Amino acid sequence: ETGVTQTPRHLVMGMTNKKSLKCEQHLGHNAMYWYKQSAKKPLELMFVYSLEERVENNSVPSRFSPECPNSSHLFLHLHTLQPEDSALYLCASSQEGGGEQFFGPGTRLTVL
Amino acid sequence: TQLLEQSPQFLSIQEGENLTVYCNSSSVFSSLQWYRQEPGEGPVLLVTVVTGGEVKKLKRLTFQFGDARKDSSLHITAAQPGDTGLYLCAGEEGSNYKLTFGKGTLLTVNP
Repeated sequence: ETGVTQTPRHLVMGMTNKKSLKCEQHLGHNAMYWYKQSAKKPLELMFVYSLEERVENNSVPSRFSPECPNSSHLFLHLHTLQPEDSALYLCASSQEGGGEQFFGPGTRLTVL
Repeated sequence: TQLLEQSPQFLSIQEGENLTVYCNSSSVFSSLQWYRQEPGEGPVLLVTVVTGGEVKKLKRLTFQFGDARKDSSLHITAAQPGDTGLYLCAGEEGSNYKLTFGKGTLLTVNP
């Protein structure tokens, strides 16, 4: 595997389900990001981890819970989501300090 | 909150035509990045511009950063169907990890 990978690529869940999105980067980066991409809206930054510590949390509802166990892996734990949370969730990575970000293919999430 | 406005929102042209898309803000960015996103995939970085007035070329794509570092343009010469995609600009505010994205320009190049 190269670059940034995300699993699953597609996810359909009910509002009472609990699921997790996984992201793995193979670039040796030490910063990782979660973004939400909805139709007709700019990409919204959700969380940033640098050196496995959360450095940015953009007022995201608590039903989204990130986890960064090491610099190569990032998870987004989901519970009791709402239909308006349906979107493409993108993971990205970069070198510590910002700059160019490399994106994964995303997880297309549908909440019923 | 810094905003990036991209125009046009949609653009459909014939193969071989030239086009320019724009990315404008009232705020200054330390750098600006252009990405292309194809359906079902994540954005892929095309270029980063850093210096006011900078021009970068990538084959048929020409990127320009405004002198005041508030705006940028992307010009494509002799567009091809493979250029089809969503073009996103993103401004960086210093080195604090935060990229502000525009809504994008959805380009369709018809054969």
